[in-house]
Amino acid sequence: GQQVMQIPQYQHVQEGEDFTTYCNSSTTLSNIQWYKQRPGGHPVFLIQLVKSGEVKKQKRLTFQFGEAKKNSSLHITATQTTDVGTYFCAGRHDYKLSFGAGTTVTVRA
Amino acid sequence: SQTIHQWPATLVQPVGSPLSLECTVEGTSNPNLYWYRQAAGRGLQLLFYSVGIGQISSEVPQNLSASRPQDRQFILSSKKLLLSDSGFYLCAWSLERTAGTGNYGYTFGSGTRLTVV
Repeated sequence: GQQVMQIPQYQHVQEGEDFTTYCNSSTTLSNIQWYKQRPGGHPVFLIQLVKSGEVKKQKRLTFQFGEAKKNSSLHITATQTTDVGTYFCAGRHDYKLSFGAGTTVTVRA
Repeated sequence: SQTIHQWPATLVQPVGSPLSLECTVEGTSNPNLYWYRQAAGRGLQLLFYSVGIGQISSEVPQNLSASRPQDRQFILSSKKLLLSDSGFYLCAWSLERTAGTGNYGYTFGSGTRLTVV
């Protein structure tokens, strides 16, 4: 079945620095979605990428979808304490989303 | 606007007891409904999904079952809980009918933290 892998599992970032989390699928995806889960909370939808090579930005967050539609990345610039949480990518196949294990981000002030 | 309600927020149940978690969606019709489980510090595992009343697809063999008695109601059940059923259970809905069309992310409920003791 479809598997979505995310690296790194943990990301410890100094406030103000940039970081990137990566997502890879074993199969070609129709689209990929990104979610953020704050500690103790539930996942919240951030964005969806559909087209090969697509790049979308949300303020300090930049999302990319690979040319082969099998990988994606999330890049955060100038990390803030509000960025703390776990970021999940999710690959879409039919009606179902397969979630990666997530990247848990902690920020050092 | 659409809202999703999930209850209870926390639950402590003894091994062998039954379980019933309920999820309801308001403000939309014929949504796709999903049950996910998240183990502590882990990703989300899809348990069940439904694209219509009475239709249930199971993703993994397990001690749980799901039902959709009404269009916007999704229930997760167990006859006898196991210790391994502990986790964070999340209900979600979406409207996307065909993969890749539209921009319909999943909307998750606030979840139920189940501890089986």
